[in-house]
Amino acid sequence: KNQVEQSPQSLIILEGKNCTLQCNYTVSPFSNLRWYKQDTGRGPVSLTIMTFSENTKSNGRYTATLDADTKQSSLHITASQLSDSASYICVIGSQGNLIFGKGTKLSVKP
Amino acid sequence: DAGVTQSPTHLIKTRGQQVTLRCSPKSGHDTVSWYQQALGQGPQFIFQYYEEEERQRGNFPDRFSGHQFPNYSSELNVNALLLGDSALYLCASSLEGDRGFYEQYFGPGTRLTVT
Repeated sequence: KNQVEQSPQSLIILEGKNCTLQCNYTVSPFSNLRWYKQDTGRGPVSLTIMTFSENTKSNGRYTATLDADTKQSSLHITASQLSDSASYICVIGSQGNLIFGKGTKLSVKP
Repeated sequence: DAGVTQSPTHLIKTRGQQVTLRCSPKSGHDTVSWYQQALGQGPQFIFQYYEEEERQRGNFPDRFSGHQFPNYSSELNVNALLLGDSALYLCASSLEGDRGFYEQYFGPGTRLTVT
């Protein structure tokens, strides 16, 4: 069964600290993996998108890694800001479909 | 260049009623997908429209139907509303040839509450 599992479910960190979010998937075949940021009550916004051959991709303070062999990805956020408070969703593209994880809810406190 | 727009922003309906949600895709996009996102969950794929036809469908009952117009805008209709239909409904647009959804953009969503 195609699944995308994210951990932790929620996370609270202090402003300025770093954090890492995890994504494990069992989706096959694999086309691409992306991380979305979703503010409460808003639509998801793409942060990074990675294909099978890419190991790392950065977008400002966001860095995503992909290990296609172990089917794991991580999203590292550096020097967190209050505006980083949101849900972060891992999504796998497969055969013209997108399979979403449930997301990790990140709260950045001052 | 306008992104994906959705209307209305919020909607409150009563069980058994019918609702229509609207979506205008990003300029240049011709494919529209609809998703349902329950509170605390990831989006669930409802269906996708291209060339005014439903091309793919997720695991949703026939109460959920849609339409795409010649200008690529789309509507999502839900009949006989249930309490469980309360959710954020997201519209996303892309180009038909973009099978990897590399350029899929989401709208802000419509928050539907069924009482």
